[in-house]
Amino acid sequence: QEQLVESGGGVVQPGRSLRLSCAASGFTFSGYAMHWVRQAPGKGLEWVSTMWYDGRDKYYAESVKGRFTISRDNSKNMLYLQMDTLRSEDTAVYYCAKSRQETLDAFDIWGQGTMVIVS
Amino acid sequence: EIVLTQSPATLSLSPGERATLSCRASQSINYYLAWYQQKSGQAPRLLIYDASNRASGIPARFSGSRSGTDFTLTISSLEPEDFAVYYCQQRSRWPVSFGGGTKVEIK
Repeated sequence: QEQLVESGGGVVQPGRSLRLSCAASGFTFSGYAMHWVRQAPGKGLEWVSTMWYDGRDKYYAESVKGRFTISRDNSKNMLYLQMDTLRSEDTAVYYCAKSRQETLDAFDIWGQGTMVIVS
Repeated sequence: EIVLTQSPATLSLSPGERATLSCRASQSINYYLAWYQQKSGQAPRLLIYDASNRASGIPARFSGSRSGTDFTLTISSLEPEDFAVYYCQQRSRWPVSFGGGTKVEIK
């Protein structure tokens, strides 16, 4: 079945970098836009970034623009989030999610999340 | 930026009762609204997309509707597994945004 598995989270000092990965299986990864969404402890959901199915278009939340970079490798069914110059406010569970189509649509499949702690 | 305001923040109901959750958009988003359910310690799950379409595998007791910029998620008869937090989300304009959530708790 369709599945997303995130990895790469951990504890990192402010100002340092971290790279999250998301492994996709059970669907044609190259046919769908992909997203990163985060959730700070005890808080709601915050959209972080989106990449179109072919990697040509990327979008970022203002809070991460210039510091985070989304990328994908369709040959490996992988989505990535490079996070640089991390701040304490970036502490959150990071989820990758699949779009219902090749561009922006509802997020129909979610991973279990990976925790990032900036401290 | 489009702001989604969910109300109430908390809804206290008993199993079998009807739940009505609201989400108001700060400007027109057409029908580009989705609803998600999140249980404690779990990832969100898509319930409704495009205001009123149930996602795959979602029970018929969940329904969504729209009136202008006001959106409603209705759970016709609460089952024990429905007690959770519900979020609305718009995809009409960048940035994508989520509402603050409504917690449906057992009364």
